[in-house]
Amino acid sequence: ETGVTQTPRHLVMGMTNKKSLKCEQHLGHNAMYWYKQSAKKPLELMFVYSLEERVENNSVPSRFSPECPNSSHLFLHLHTLQPEDSALYLCASSQDVGDQPQHFGDGTRLSIL
Amino acid sequence: GQSLEQPSEVTAVEGAIVQINCTYQTSGFYGLSWYQQHDGGAPTFLSYNALDGLEETGRFSSFLSRSDSYGYLLLQELQMKDSASYFCAVRDRRDYKLSFGAGTTVTVRA
Repeated sequence: ETGVTQTPRHLVMGMTNKKSLKCEQHLGHNAMYWYKQSAKKPLELMFVYSLEERVENNSVPSRFSPECPNSSHLFLHLHTLQPEDSALYLCASSQDVGDQPQHFGDGTRLSIL
Repeated sequence: GQSLEQPSEVTAVEGAIVQINCTYQTSGFYGLSWYQQHDGGAPTFLSYNALDGLEETGRFSSFLSRSDSYGYLLLQELQMKDSASYFCAVRDRRDYKLSFGAGTTVTVRA
């Protein structure tokens, strides 16, 4: 496998559920990112990790909790989400923080009931 | 912080040329990138300009003028498969974050 892989591709959950999004990169990169993409809006950077350490938290609500157990894996734990959290969640990686290009996964389409 | 402006939609016919402009405001410019995203797919990297001038990669070219805080993506010999959203993104030197524009939806008609 190559590139950035995200699972699941689609997720429907109620507001009281707990779920996790998974991202895996096979590129040997040191930096990983979570973005939120809502319709007709710019990609919003949520979290940045460099070598498993969080370097950026863009004032994201605590109902989103990231985890980076190693440089190849990134999780986004979801709890008590709101309808406005319905969006496409994209994971990306780059060689180091800020480097171009960033390689994106196909995203998880999240719908909150 | 940063702000980027690009047109929301462009429609053109096959074989035509499309130019997508991007103007930006940033406190510490480091580079301008372009990404393509097909409906339901991952954004994919197209180009990166750190210095003024034109970069050409096949049918796509990207231009940057740092003094004007302006860049553009030029799509030539348009094909149906070029129908997608195109995002400009600015890297800020200060914190190395990438800030994206809202995207331009390009529709190619036969």
